[in-house]
Amino acid sequence: GNSVTQMEGPVTLSEEAFLTINCTYTATGYPSLFWYVQYPGEGLQLLLKATKADDKGSNKGFEATYRKETTSFHLEKGSVQVSDSAVYFCALSMFSGGYNKLIFGAGTRLAVHP
Amino acid sequence: DVKVTQSSRYLVKRTGEKVFLECVQDMDHENMFWYRQDPGLGLRLIYFSYDVKMKEKGDIPEGYSVSREKKERFSLILESASTNQTSMYLCASSPATTTFYTFGSGTRLTVV
Repeated sequence: GNSVTQMEGPVTLSEEAFLTINCTYTATGYPSLFWYVQYPGEGLQLLLKATKADDKGSNKGFEATYRKETTSFHLEKGSVQVSDSAVYFCALSMFSGGYNKLIFGAGTRLAVHP
Repeated sequence: DVKVTQSSRYLVKRTGEKVFLECVQDMDHENMFWYRQDPGLGLRLIYFSYDVKMKEKGDIPEGYSVSREKKERFSLILESASTNQTSMYLCASSPATTTFYTFGSGTRLTVV
């Protein structure tokens, strides 16, 4: 079936460090891929998305490239800030059973220290 | 600013109680969703609705039901709350033909 696997956390980094959070997916067909972020005490917000192979999504200094050959959508940021501390969810959307649905990974908690 | 509003941020209920979680959206979205979020498990879909009075089971519907009498409101019902339903519950909505979801802030439910 369709699924998303992302690296376990927590990921702990110092401010200005480079961030990578790995995400791989299993899907029949060609899903759209998303990264959502959840700040403490809040719901999920869409961070970035990519709808086809080789697309790069970017927002707030974060980037992720849709790699069909490796079925991956890794999240990267060149220099993290304390305010990036949050839980990050990778997700895919598929048309299944007559509806578009989002399938989420387990989430990766990021903690950034000054 | 468009919004999905969940009526309670925190709830504490007793085992066996009937619990109602309310969600209202102001974006005229057709689709609405209820997820539960548990550490290490991510978000799991409980129920969704693609139109008024319509509902579909998600991946973990057991022990839950839903109601959508108006387009803007989607209620999650725990018929008889149990301790294993202690969780964070997230509501979301989206337009009919997209997966651009807007999430509410969540309701943290504790069943004692």
